Amino acid sequence: AQSVAQPEDQVNVAEGNPLTVKCTYSVSGNPYLFWYVQYPNRGLQFLLKYITGDNLVKGSYGFEAEFNKSQTSFHLKKPSALVSDSALYFCAVRDPRGGGYQKVTFGIGTKLQVIP
Amino acid sequence: DAGITQSPRHKVTETGTPVTLRCHQTENHRYMYWYRQDPGHGLRLIHYSYGVKDTDKGEVSDGYSVSRSKTEDFLLTLESATSSQTSVYFCAIRKGQNEETQYFGPGTRLLVL
Repeated sequence: AQSVAQPEDQVNVAEGNPLTVKCTYSVSGNPYLFWYVQYPNRGLQFLLKYITGDNLVKGSYGFEAEFNKSQTSFHLKKPSALVSDSALYFCAVRDPRGGGYQKVTFGIGTKLQVIP
Repeated sequence: DAGITQSPRHKVTETGTPVTLRCHQTENHRYMYWYRQDPGHGLRLIHYSYGVKDTDKGEVSDGYSVSRSKTEDFLLTLESATSSQTSVYFCAIRKGQNEETQYFGPGTRLLVL
């Protein structure tokens, strides 16, 4: 069974400071990993994904994430937070060996609050 | 946003009534999904479709049915709405079998009284 954990319900960071939103996962094999962002009253928007290759993945809006297999983590980072980054962030995982409908498991979300 | 619309965007209904939510896409993608979003649970898959008239159950399918008679439309029906089905419902598409990213619609907020 695959699972994903986002250990922080909320992360507060001052504008201009670096931010990290944590994600850990559990799958049997090599994972596919994703980050999505949700702004109020909107659907989820894709930020970035790790499928294979370089462990550091760069995505939209200056975000990046590092795949760490030994720690089973895929933390989302940004060097300098903007107030407009305030949103709900979801980590997701898929076991590519899962077959069927290629189920993606989402975390419960982390609310990021960037303080001016 | 991959040309995905959902209707209605908001709905209030009473327990025991049937409700149908519509997802419409303009790009003729094969794979479509219905999720519900609830606090503390993230997104959970209700049903999915891999082609016209090809659908299957997700992890929380009890009380829901779906239909896909055209590529562009994926309908979710709550057969007899219950208060536990109060939620925000999202439709998503995947652009191809080898495309891992899902693209989401704007959501439907459903309140069952």
